[in-house]
This record gives sequence, structure tokens and C-alpha cells, in this order.
Amino acid sequence: DTGVSQDPRHKITKRGQNVTFRCDPISEHNRLYWYRQTLGQGPEFLTYFQNEAQLEKSRLLSDRFSAERPKGSFSTLEIQRTEQGDSAMYLCASSFWTGRGGNQPQHFGDGTRLSIL
Amino acid sequence: AQSVTQPDIHITVSEGASLELRCNYSYGATPYLFWYVQSPGQGLQLLLKYFSGDTLVQGIKGFEAEFKRSQSSFNLRKPSVHWSDAAEYFCAVGGFQGAQKLVFGQGTRLTINP
Repeated sequence: DTGVSQDPRHKITKRGQNVTFRCDPISEHNRLYWYRQTLGQGPEFLTYFQNEAQLEKSRLLSDRFSAERPKGSFSTLEIQRTEQGDSAMYLCASSFWTGRGGNQPQHFGDGTRLSIL
Repeated sequence: AQSVTQPDIHITVSEGASLELRCNYSYGATPYLFWYVQSPGQGLQLLLKYFSGDTLVQGIKGFEAEFKRSQSSFNLRKPSVHWSDAAEYFCAVGGFQGAQKLVFGQGTRLTINP
């Protein structure tokens, strides 16, 4: 069990640029989640996947945000035309859903910290 | 609406003293409750979870939590804190054993005095 891996750990970019983050879940986990955490706050849910299917998106996920999990393994989160308010820690988590109970809790990665200049 | 309230933003305790962090939740269905801990610049580590059964649950690092349905609370406790317990603690609620989105509280920052 190598844990949830996120890349990069830090990203600094200018306002208006596009950024993409990657998350590699724990290998046997079929569910993958994205959260955003701003300073002094708890994580806020953005979206989650069951294998490659995106099952729920938060209203926080504006049109500038897109998430994919094309082969049901790693996932990417892209932010287009970044704004100052996008500065945050972006956390990825994964879990194994059995479909009939006994679900494992979400395990989190160390996050990607995004700073918009 | 689903929500989690952690009334204490910052708590300071002396090393060796007991600790209780408060958590109140609002959830329309069967709540599945979690406590996570976060060190600076790191992700979240699961301390413990409550799904069903015994309302007193044991976790890692000597932590325990008690689920009280009548009070909609899930308070975290530790009998004797260590300097390494200094961190941010988050309570969270979710459905389907946490297989869907989690709703987090604002967090409680714990400082340990030597």
C-alpha cells in the first residue's frame, strides 16, 4: 500500500493560466474524490468518481474546472483561466466501495498547494 | 442540509493533560462519522470512524470518540496528550459509510504546552 500520491506538491502560476493536477489513488481503490481546502477551513467536496464514471459534482466546480479519470485509475483536475480565488490546497482521496457495505473510509493524499500570483 | 460544527477553533492543553474536541453534526440520513488529523502542509490521516454498533469507538494514537445520537455529537477524546498530538483536527460526516462526499467541520487547532 503506497498511499494516495499527488503531483505536483506545489504549483505557482500567474492569473489566467491553466493548471493541471494529478492524483494516483491506492491501487485497489475504485472510488476517487477531489476536495479543496482554503486556509483555516476544512476540506470542501468538489467531485468524485466510481471507476471512470463521474458520479457527483459540487456547485463549487465551476465551468473552469474539469476532472477526469479516463481509465479508472489516476485522475486529473484541470483549472482553466485561474483566478486569485483558486489559491488553495487541492486534496485527493480514494476508497474501496463494495456496493453492499463494508466500505473502507477515504484515504487522503498530501495535496497540491496552488498559489496564484 | 448537511453540516458539521466544531465550536472550538483553537485549543491549548498541557502535555499529559486530557483532551476533548467537540463535534456536532446535522445530517438527514444515517450518519457515518469520522475524525481526521492534519499536520502542517500534509494531507489528512484517519483517526477513527463510527459506522454502527458500539457508540464508543477506539482509534489510532490513543484517541477515542463517542457517538451520541440524541445530542448529534461525536466528540473526540484522549486521556493524556503528547507534544506530537499538536495538529489540526477535523470532524466529518458522510453517507454510505463515507463512500460519497464527506462534509467537514472548520477544524480545531490543537496546541500543546510543554
